[in-house]
Amino acid sequence: GAGVSQSPSNKVTEKGKDVELRCDPISGHTALYWYRQSLGQGLEFLIYFQGNSAPDKSGLPSDRFSAERTGGSVSTLTIQRTQQEDSAVYLCASSSQGSSGRRGPTDTQYFGPGTRLTVL
Amino acid sequence: AQKITQTQPGMFVQEKEAVTLDCTYDTSDPSYGLFWYKQPSSGEMIFLIYQGSYDQQNATEGRYSLNFQKARKSANLVISASQLGDSAMYFCAMREGPTNFGNEKLTFGTGTRLTIIP
Repeated sequence: GAGVSQSPSNKVTEKGKDVELRCDPISGHTALYWYRQSLGQGLEFLIYFQGNSAPDKSGLPSDRFSAERTGGSVSTLTIQRTQQEDSAVYLCASSSQGSSGRRGPTDTQYFGPGTRLTVL
Repeated sequence: AQKITQTQPGMFVQEKEAVTLDCTYDTSDPSYGLFWYKQPSSGEMIFLIYQGSYDQQNATEGRYSLNFQKARKSANLVISASQLGDSAMYFCAMREGPTNFGNEKLTFGTGTRLTIIP
């Protein structure tokens, strides 16, 4: 079946502009996650959605970052007034974690190909 | 303190040899999960193997196995009979927290770049 898709694959923007990054999770996956991978660094958690709500937004680095999810499917990560330090690869992942809270291999996160954001 | 530590920034291994990638973790939560991901040059994170904290046996998936030593808090990835296509970055990650959703984020190590030499 189709995996996680993200668009655009590459985005170049000027400092101060707003950008929107899109994520389409695997069909039927209730949980969706955003991570950021900066050059030479590991992956950094940003936000987690269960359905349309976000129980954990602890990783958003500033109030310039926001995300929403509609219809329990597509999610958009918005970065306002972009800064050069926002340049990174933004990765989205989804899992079939259910509301029952069951843990195990079913909550494995499957990642999309990422969006490479470059802020000039 | 680092929650996930991968001490090998880079490794070179001869093709067909076995390789062990080290990962140690730090958590006080009795319930956690450990994951290994592969990131080839294309950038996509590929799930390899999972080990739950309550699993009695070490996880295996084809050529991948996880050497889980709970008391030492280590979860090393073993790749048997390495292939050229195994050349990639490898990340160890942990999910910790109680069984209710809301603590789902993965914490990643800094990764190990594995290069397989023909």
